Order: sequence, then structure tokens, then C-alpha cells
Amino acid sequence: RKEVEQDPGPFNVPEGATVAFNCTYSNSASQSFFWYRQDCRKEPKLLMSVYSSGNEDGRFTAQLNRASQYISLLIRDSKLSDSATYLCVVNERASGGSYIPTFGRGTSLIVHP
Amino acid sequence: ETGVTQTPRHLVMGMTNKKSLKCEQHLGHNAMYWYKQSAKKPLELMFVYSLEERVENNSVPSRFSPECPNSSHLFLHLHTLQPEDSALYLCASSQGTSGDANTGELFFGEGSRLTVL
Repeated sequence: RKEVEQDPGPFNVPEGATVAFNCTYSNSASQSFFWYRQDCRKEPKLLMSVYSSGNEDGRFTAQLNRASQYISLLIRDSKLSDSATYLCVVNERASGGSYIPTFGRGTSLIVHP
Repeated sequence: ETGVTQTPRHLVMGMTNKKSLKCEQHLGHNAMYWYKQSAKKPLELMFVYSLEERVENNSVPSRFSPECPNSSHLFLHLHTLQPEDSALYLCASSQGTSGDANTGELFFGEGSRLTVL
């Protein structure tokens, strides 16, 4: 069974804090990996792709460990506007070469003043 | 300003009604998806279409019937639904073929919030 596991939280942190989320996946043949952000009652939106070499986008850093099958997201200097649910997504290949994305249940982040 | 448009945004229907959800993407993608999002649950994949052919049907009850007439449009036909089917139904598209630089990023519509009475 294909599974993507995340700690649902909530993570309740003060502004300026550094917070880290982890995600594990069960299918070692998974092809590509992402973090999405979902605000309350809105659709998910791509935050960043995750590469084996690690990648950074401003205050956000994503890491992939294929050997251990986990993905991480680090947020530095948290802002109030970072409050949202962060979804880990793992892509697997389907017949015909298309991708099948599987979502974790999301980790809730609440940043308070 | 989304490239994926879903209609209607809100729908209330009785258990004996027949209705349809519509999704249209303007991004030139070749794969489209239906997801269901219920409260306190992860996004559940329902159907995947790649190049207008269904490649995944994730054990969805037959009261949900998808249709993909072309690569830009996707429908979800609803018939004899149950109250537990009330949820947010999200459509997404991607450039869904592997083997090149594409990684399969999903672009979502704003969703259709369905209430079954």
C-alpha cells in the first residue's frame, strides 16, 4: 500500500522561530517529491519541489533522504503568514508514464505573535 | 487567476439528484485529476486521466462517474450520493508524463464544495 505519513501537529510557534516538518513515504520507487501549502478552505498550492541535493527558497529549506525515505521542510524566522497546513506529496509512476501524486494528511502550523 | 477553473464552487443536492462538477484547465497539460477532501482526512485521489485515458480509479463508488472529453476538460457526474459524500472536490492538472525534466507538479482549481442532504 502506498503511504505518505506526516505528523498532523498542530505546531504552535512564536514569530521568528525555526520549525521543521518531516514526512516519510513507503514506496522506494517514488519519482518526485514536493511540499504544498494549503490555507483554510483554499486549494493546495506548490511551496517547493524537493531534490536529493537539498534546495532552499528564502526562509524555506527542503531535504530528501532517499535511503531513509523521508522528506523534510525547515522554515526559518517564522512569520504570521506562514500559518497554514503543509502537505507532503510523493509522485509515483503510473502506466503510460503519467504521475500519480499521493498526499500526506498535512501538518498544521500556527505562528503566533 | 488560476489556470484551472472549477464550477460550480458550491453545490447542495439531495440524495436522488443527478448533478455534475466541471473542471477546465488552460495550461496545456495532459493529465487531470479528481481529489476528494473531507474534514480531518488527507486528500484522497479519486481518478486520474492521462492523455484523455483513465489510468487510475482509486476504488471509487460507481455513484461517481468521471468523463474526460478532451485534455482540457474533466467532469465528475454525481448520482444517488450519500451524506458522507459531502466534501470539497478538487480538480488538478499536470504535465503528467515522466522521462523528461517535468516532475509532475500539480495545479489545483479552487474546488467545488458539495453538500449532500
